[in-house]
Amino acid sequence: GDSVTQMEGPVTLSEEAFLTINCTYTATGYPSLFWYVQYPGEGLQLLLKATKADDKGSNKGFEATYRKETTSFHLEKGSVQVSDSAVYFCALSFYGNNRLAFGKGNQVVVIP
Amino acid sequence: DSGVTQTPKHLITATGQRVTLRCSPRSGDLSVYWYQQSLDQGLQFLIQYYNGEERAKGNILERFSAQQFPDLHSELNLSSLELGDSALYFCASSSEDRGGMEAFFGQGTRLTVV
Repeated sequence: GDSVTQMEGPVTLSEEAFLTINCTYTATGYPSLFWYVQYPGEGLQLLLKATKADDKGSNKGFEATYRKETTSFHLEKGSVQVSDSAVYFCALSFYGNNRLAFGKGNQVVVIP
Repeated sequence: DSGVTQTPKHLITATGQRVTLRCSPRSGDLSVYWYQQSLDQGLQFLIQYYNGEERAKGNILERFSAQQFPDLHSELNLSSLELGDSALYFCASSSEDRGGMEAFFGQGTRLTVV
């Protein structure tokens, strides 16, 4: 079935460091791809999305490019802040239905 | 504030009991989704309603059921509760059903079964 795989384990880095979180997907068609962020004690918020191959989603300094050839949607930010500490989820949905299939999520901790 | 309201925020109940979780979607959103977040399973899609009709089912147990009312609010009913049902239950809404739409999430209901 359709699934999303995120790299294992939490990510700890220093302020102003470069962040990459890997995301790959398995799907039978051409899904839309999303990154959602969950801050402590809150629900998920959409961070960015891309709906077709080679699209780049961007928001708040974060970017991700939809790569059909590698079935990937890696999240990057050039210089993280303490306020970026959160759990990041990669997800997909299909044209016919907006239900989301999520990856396991990555806890990101940014140290001052 | 996403505009999606879930009540209650916390719920503690005993095994074998039944509970109802409530969700009010964003104003105007016709589609409501329920998700379960647990440490071992991650975020799992349970069920979706669109304008009062069940539209899709995911990994929802037979002990669980849901409905969407004419005013578009939704309820998730969990019965014969087991310890393993302890989780965070999220409701999300979107304006339409087609893929690629942003889903707006509530803050969740944390269910603890003791």
